[in-house]
Amino acid sequence: AQSVTQLGSHVSVSEGALVLLRCNYSSSVPPYLFWYVQYPNQGLQLLLKYTSAATLVKGINGFEAEFKKSETSFHLTKPSAHMSDAAEYFCAVSGRNGNQFYFGTGTSLTVIP
Amino acid sequence: DADVTQTPRNRITKTGKRIMLECSQTKGHDRMYWYRQDPGLGLQLIYYSFDVKDINKGEISDGYSVSRQAQAKFSLSLESAIPNQTALYFCATRRSSFRTKEQFFGPGTRLTVL
Repeated sequence: AQSVTQLGSHVSVSEGALVLLRCNYSSSVPPYLFWYVQYPNQGLQLLLKYTSAATLVKGINGFEAEFKKSETSFHLTKPSAHMSDAAEYFCAVSGRNGNQFYFGTGTSLTVIP
Repeated sequence: DADVTQTPRNRITKTGKRIMLECSQTKGHDRMYWYRQDPGLGLQLIYYSFDVKDINKGEISDGYSVSRQAQAKFSLSLESAIPNQTALYFCATRRSSFRTKEQFFGPGTRLTVL
Protein backbone atom coordinates (compact mmCIF):
# COMPACT_ATOMS: atom_id res chain seq x y z
CA ALA A 1 0.00 0.00 0.00
CA GLN A 2 1.11 3.53 -0.68
CA SER A 3 0.46 6.74 1.19
CA VAL A 4 1.77 10.26 1.47
CA THR A 5 2.10 12.50 4.50
CA GLN A 6 2.57 16.22 4.19
CA LEU A 7 3.63 17.81 7.45
CA GLY A 8 2.14 21.23 7.95
CA SER A 9 -1.15 22.11 6.31
CA HIS A 10 -0.18 25.79 6.32
CA VAL A 11 3.28 27.28 5.88
CA SER A 12 4.09 30.99 5.91
CA VAL A 13 7.38 32.46 4.73
CA SER A 14 8.62 35.94 4.08
CA GLU A 15 9.31 37.03 0.55
CA GLY A 16 12.90 36.10 -0.26
CA ALA A 17 13.10 33.41 2.42
CA LEU A 18 13.65 29.70 1.92
CA VAL A 19 10.61 27.60 1.15
CA LEU A 20 10.56 24.07 2.58
CA LEU A 21 7.48 21.88 2.17
CA ARG A 22 7.71 18.40 3.63
CA CYS A 23 6.56 15.15 2.11
CA ASN A 24 7.07 11.63 3.40
CA TYR A 25 5.84 8.58 1.58
CA SER A 26 5.12 5.00 2.36
CA SER A 27 5.62 2.50 -0.41
CA SER A 28 6.49 -1.14 -0.57
CA VAL A 29 8.38 -0.68 -3.82
CA PRO A 30 10.45 2.18 -5.21
CA PRO A 31 7.86 4.76 -6.18
CA TYR A 32 7.40 7.58 -8.57
CA LEU A 33 6.96 10.86 -6.71
CA PHE A 34 5.43 14.12 -7.80
CA TRP A 35 4.82 17.63 -6.59
CA TYR A 36 1.85 19.53 -7.98
CA VAL A 37 0.85 23.15 -7.41
CA GLN A 38 -2.69 24.49 -7.38
CA TYR A 39 -3.22 28.20 -7.80
CA PRO A 40 -6.57 29.66 -6.70
CA ASN A 41 -9.47 28.53 -8.88
CA GLN A 42 -7.23 26.42 -11.07
CA GLY A 43 -6.42 22.78 -11.60
CA LEU A 44 -3.24 21.06 -10.54
CA GLN A 45 -0.04 21.77 -12.42
CA LEU A 46 3.00 19.51 -12.30
CA LEU A 47 5.97 21.14 -10.58
CA LEU A 48 8.42 18.26 -10.74
CA LYS A 49 8.70 14.49 -10.65
CA TYR A 50 11.07 11.79 -9.44
CA THR A 51 11.27 8.69 -11.60
CA SER A 52 14.40 6.90 -10.29
CA ALA A 53 16.92 8.92 -12.23
CA ALA A 54 18.74 11.71 -10.37
CA THR A 55 17.75 12.01 -6.72
CA LEU A 56 17.80 15.82 -6.89
CA VAL A 57 15.03 16.90 -9.18
CA LYS A 58 14.65 20.39 -10.56
CA GLY A 59 11.24 21.67 -11.53
CA ILE A 60 9.57 24.78 -12.80
CA ASN A 61 9.63 28.21 -11.13
CA GLY A 62 12.89 27.52 -9.28
CA PHE A 63 11.59 24.63 -7.18
CA GLU A 64 13.52 21.45 -6.55
CA ALA A 65 13.11 18.32 -4.47
CA GLU A 66 15.43 15.63 -3.23
CA PHE A 67 14.49 11.97 -3.03
CA LYS A 68 15.92 10.39 0.13
CA LYS A 69 15.17 6.71 0.25
CA SER A 70 16.60 6.24 3.74
CA GLU A 71 14.23 8.88 5.08
CA THR A 72 11.35 8.04 2.70
CA SER A 73 11.12 11.74 1.99
CA PHE A 74 10.69 14.00 -1.01
CA HIS A 75 10.75 17.52 0.41
CA LEU A 76 10.16 20.51 -1.87
CA THR A 77 12.42 23.56 -1.60
CA LYS A 78 12.95 26.92 -3.20
CA PRO A 79 15.81 29.17 -2.12
CA SER A 80 13.91 32.45 -2.32
CA ALA A 81 10.13 32.76 -2.07
CA HIS A 82 8.24 35.02 -4.40
CA MET A 83 4.77 36.41 -3.91
CA SER A 84 3.59 34.42 -6.91
CA ASP A 85 4.49 31.17 -5.10
CA ALA A 86 1.46 31.51 -2.84
CA ALA A 87 -0.62 28.44 -3.64
CA GLU A 88 -1.58 24.94 -2.47
CA TYR A 89 1.06 22.27 -2.95
CA PHE A 90 0.38 18.56 -3.18
CA CYS A 91 2.79 15.68 -2.98
CA ALA A 92 1.75 12.45 -4.72
CA VAL A 93 3.11 8.93 -5.01
CA SER A 94 2.53 6.34 -7.67
CA GLY A 95 3.60 2.76 -7.96
CA ARG A 96 5.82 1.66 -10.81
CA ASN A 97 2.82 0.85 -12.98
CA GLY A 98 1.42 4.35 -12.51
CA ASN A 99 -2.13 3.04 -12.30
CA GLN A 100 -3.08 5.11 -9.28
CA PHE A 101 -1.84 8.21 -7.60
CA TYR A 102 -2.08 8.78 -3.86
CA PHE A 103 -2.09 12.40 -2.83
CA GLY A 104 -1.11 14.08 0.39
CA THR A 105 -3.53 16.41 2.09
CA GLY A 106 -1.79 19.48 0.74
CA THR A 107 0.18 22.41 2.15
CA SER A 108 -1.03 25.95 1.71
CA LEU A 109 1.89 28.32 1.23
CA THR A 110 1.52 31.97 2.19
CA VAL A 111 4.22 34.45 1.22
CA ILE A 112 4.44 37.52 3.40
CA PRO A 113 5.65 40.75 1.79
CA ASP B 1 -6.76 25.92 -25.82
CA ALA B 2 -6.98 23.75 -22.75
CA ASP B 3 -5.97 20.12 -23.22
CA VAL B 4 -8.31 18.82 -20.52
CA THR B 5 -11.66 20.57 -20.20
CA GLN B 6 -14.43 20.10 -17.68
CA THR B 7 -18.03 21.18 -17.88
CA PRO B 8 -19.68 22.77 -16.07
CA ARG B 9 -17.12 24.74 -14.08
CA ASN B 10 -19.62 25.50 -11.35
CA ARG B 11 -22.89 23.81 -10.48
CA ILE B 12 -25.41 24.21 -7.71
CA THR B 13 -27.99 21.48 -7.36
CA LYS B 14 -30.44 20.14 -4.82
CA THR B 15 -30.44 16.97 -2.77
CA GLY B 16 -31.77 14.01 -4.71
CA LYS B 17 -31.07 15.43 -8.17
CA ARG B 18 -29.10 13.53 -10.77
CA ILE B 19 -26.13 15.40 -12.10
CA MET B 20 -23.44 14.69 -14.66
CA LEU B 21 -19.99 16.21 -14.83
CA GLU B 22 -18.17 15.93 -18.12
CA CYS B 23 -14.51 15.74 -19.02
CA SER B 24 -12.99 15.95 -22.48
CA GLN B 25 -9.35 15.81 -23.53
CA THR B 26 -7.46 16.51 -26.71
CA LYS B 27 -4.18 15.02 -25.49
CA GLY B 28 -4.82 11.61 -27.01
CA HIS B 29 -4.26 9.95 -23.62
CA ASP B 30 -5.77 6.54 -22.96
CA ARG B 31 -6.17 6.76 -19.19
CA MET B 32 -8.61 9.07 -17.46
CA TYR B 33 -9.37 9.71 -13.79
CA TRP B 34 -11.95 11.41 -11.60
CA TYR B 35 -10.97 12.88 -8.23
CA ARG B 36 -12.73 14.91 -5.60
CA GLN B 37 -10.98 17.48 -3.47
CA ASP B 38 -12.16 18.42 -0.02
CA PRO B 39 -10.41 20.96 2.22
CA GLY B 40 -7.83 19.24 4.38
CA LEU B 41 -8.26 15.88 2.65
CA GLY B 42 -6.33 16.36 -0.54
CA LEU B 43 -7.51 14.54 -3.64
CA GLN B 44 -9.31 11.23 -3.45
CA LEU B 45 -9.74 8.94 -6.43
CA ILE B 46 -13.34 8.18 -7.40
CA TYR B 47 -13.01 6.18 -10.62
CA TYR B 48 -10.43 5.59 -13.28
CA SER B 49 -10.47 4.19 -16.78
CA PHE B 50 -7.66 2.57 -18.73
CA ASP B 51 -9.64 2.62 -21.98
CA VAL B 52 -13.23 2.69 -23.18
CA LYS B 53 -13.98 -0.82 -21.93
CA ASP B 54 -11.94 -0.77 -18.73
CA ILE B 55 -13.47 1.08 -15.77
CA ASN B 56 -12.20 0.73 -12.21
CA LYS B 57 -13.40 1.91 -8.84
CA GLY B 58 -11.21 4.16 -6.76
CA GLU B 59 -11.13 4.84 -3.04
CA ILE B 60 -14.51 6.57 -2.79
CA SER B 61 -16.77 5.29 -5.59
CA ASP B 62 -19.96 4.88 -3.54
CA GLY B 63 -22.66 7.24 -4.77
CA TYR B 64 -20.94 7.83 -8.10
CA SER B 65 -20.93 6.23 -11.51
CA VAL B 66 -18.95 6.90 -14.66
CA SER B 67 -19.15 6.45 -18.39
CA ARG B 68 -16.30 6.42 -20.88
CA GLN B 69 -18.11 7.35 -24.07
CA ALA B 70 -14.97 7.60 -26.17
CA GLN B 71 -11.27 7.71 -25.57
CA ALA B 72 -11.53 11.49 -25.22
CA LYS B 73 -14.59 11.66 -22.95
CA PHE B 74 -15.13 10.50 -19.39
CA SER B 75 -18.27 11.50 -17.49
CA LEU B 76 -18.99 11.33 -13.78
CA SER B 77 -22.57 11.00 -12.54
CA LEU B 78 -24.13 11.49 -9.17
CA GLU B 79 -27.34 9.48 -9.33
CA SER B 80 -28.93 11.14 -6.31
CA ALA B 81 -26.84 14.00 -5.04
CA ILE B 82 -26.40 14.54 -1.31
CA PRO B 83 -24.87 17.51 0.54
CA ASN B 84 -21.67 15.70 1.51
CA GLN B 85 -20.87 15.38 -2.19
CA THR B 86 -20.27 19.12 -2.22
CA ALA B 87 -16.66 19.35 -3.35
CA LEU B 88 -14.28 20.32 -6.10
CA TYR B 89 -14.07 17.62 -8.77
CA PHE B 90 -11.09 17.12 -11.04
CA CYS B 91 -10.59 15.07 -14.15
CA ALA B 92 -7.09 13.93 -15.06
CA THR B 93 -5.49 12.08 -17.94
CA ARG B 94 -2.35 10.07 -18.55
CA ARG B 95 -0.76 8.25 -21.43
CA SER B 96 0.07 4.72 -20.36
CA SER B 97 3.16 4.62 -22.53
CA PHE B 98 4.72 7.57 -20.71
CA ARG B 99 7.53 6.25 -18.56
CA THR B 100 7.21 9.06 -16.10
CA LYS B 101 3.54 8.41 -15.23
CA GLU B 102 2.47 12.00 -14.58
CA GLN B 103 -1.18 12.95 -14.77
CA PHE B 104 -2.55 16.09 -16.40
CA PHE B 105 -5.46 17.83 -14.71
CA GLY B 106 -8.47 19.77 -15.87
CA PRO B 107 -9.51 23.07 -14.25
CA GLY B 108 -12.06 21.47 -11.95
CA THR B 109 -15.81 21.61 -11.37
CA ARG B 110 -17.07 23.15 -8.17
CA LEU B 111 -20.24 21.31 -7.14
CA THR B 112 -22.56 22.47 -4.40
CA VAL B 113 -25.42 20.23 -3.24
CA LEU B 114 -28.03 22.04 -1.18
